[in-house]
Amino acid sequence: DAGVIQSPRHEVTEMGQEVTLRCKPISGHNSLFWYRQTMMRGLELLIYFNNNVPIDDSGMPEDRFSAKMPNASFSTLKIQPSEPRDSAVYFCASSFFGTGAYEQYFGPGTRLTVT
Amino acid sequence: KNQVEQSPQSLIILEGKNCTLQCNYTVSPFSNLRWYKQDTGRGPVSLTIMTFSENTKSNGRYTATLDADTKQSSLHITASQLSDSASYICVVSSTSYDKVIFGPGTSLSVIP
Repeated sequence: DAGVIQSPRHEVTEMGQEVTLRCKPISGHNSLFWYRQTMMRGLELLIYFNNNVPIDDSGMPEDRFSAKMPNASFSTLKIQPSEPRDSAVYFCASSFFGTGAYEQYFGPGTRLTVT
Repeated sequence: KNQVEQSPQSLIILEGKNCTLQCNYTVSPFSNLRWYKQDTGRGPVSLTIMTFSENTKSNGRYTATLDADTKQSSLHITASQLSDSASYICVVSSTSYDKVIFGPGTSLSVIP
């Protein structure tokens, strides 16, 4: 398996522009997570999907952020309009939610720079 | 408030030496505790996952311990290698759906 795939790997955009980050989870996984990592705040959960349904979006910073999961193999995180404070590395992770403790597999991340 | 704290913040050790990283948490209810390794510019990779009933788990040269009573965990690295240089993140899950709280990480540098 190729693991969790994210695109683009790097994104540089100007303030006010729309940014769309993409994620393809591992086949067979039913849970998907979007995280943001900054030096100041470390890793933070933004939103969690289970079986394509958003379960917890309490970490989404504000209305400028939205996430969708139209099917089991694809998710997007959109920022509109983008601001310099959104600059961070955004990780997507997937896991199989069943019984017991289950491992989350992280993608390589998208480094977003908003100028 | 659910929190995860780690110490030390950073650590430098000589290649071949052992080291122990600490994690304290106040997360409740507790589901499981994980240690992740994050190389620079990469996503975190899971090293160990421990549930409430487990108090030690090994993964090669990495051994994690968990004391659920004192809410403490440690990650012991044996015979360190240069490739162990990374950030080690303690992560605690508090709910059945796997919502996780991340610690700030310990930055480990292994030098020759």
